[in-house]
Amino acid sequence: GQNIDQPTEMTATEGAIVQINCTYQTSGFNGLFWYQQHAGEAPTFLSYNVLDGLEEKGRFSSFLSRSKGYSYLLLKELQMKDSASYLCAVLDSNYQLIWGAGTKLIIKP
Amino acid sequence: IAGITQAPTSQILAAGRRMTLRCTQDMRHNAMYWYRQDLGLGLRLIHYSNTAGTTGKGEVPDGYSVSRANTDDFPLTLASAVPSQTSVYFCASSDSESHNEQFFGPGTRLTVL
Repeated sequence: GQNIDQPTEMTATEGAIVQINCTYQTSGFNGLFWYQQHAGEAPTFLSYNVLDGLEEKGRFSSFLSRSKGYSYLLLKELQMKDSASYLCAVLDSNYQLIWGAGTKLIIKP
Repeated sequence: IAGITQAPTSQILAAGRRMTLRCTQDMRHNAMYWYRQDLGLGLRLIHYSNTAGTTGKGEVPDGYSVSRANTDDFPLTLASAVPSQTSVYFCASSDSESHNEQFFGPGTRLTVL
């Protein structure tokens, strides 16, 4: 079966750095997405990785290792507004997105 | 309209009633999707449409139906609602030219009593 694992909840301090991991086992791979979802709102796109390596976009970076079935989202200089759920999703061989349950990130002052 | 809209925003429904959730996009995206999101679970795909005139079943299609008469609209119908269909429903669309990045509507919060 297809499976995406990520931690249920993480806590970090304002101004610090946090890394959210995602491991996946899917039928085929056509890219990995990270989305941000604030409570009561829709998911919004953060990043897309299809090749191994690090993609940096401002305070957020995303890393992919296809051989290990592994990705992480790195958030730097954390702000209170970064409190949200972070969803990992993999585009499988049928170009359907398989979603993880999400990681709830709590930022403390 | 800018992006994707959904209606209604929220609804309380008696079990056994029929309900249609509406979704409209103005981005001319080929593909559209319906998901449900329940606490502790990831987004689960109900139905999808890769292009106008075609639809497909997702992970949890039972009790739901969809139609795609044109590019912009993708309604989701619950023929006879049951309490287990209480959830938040998200409509999304994507275009293969943007590596299938999905854009989401604001969601519909449905409660079936």
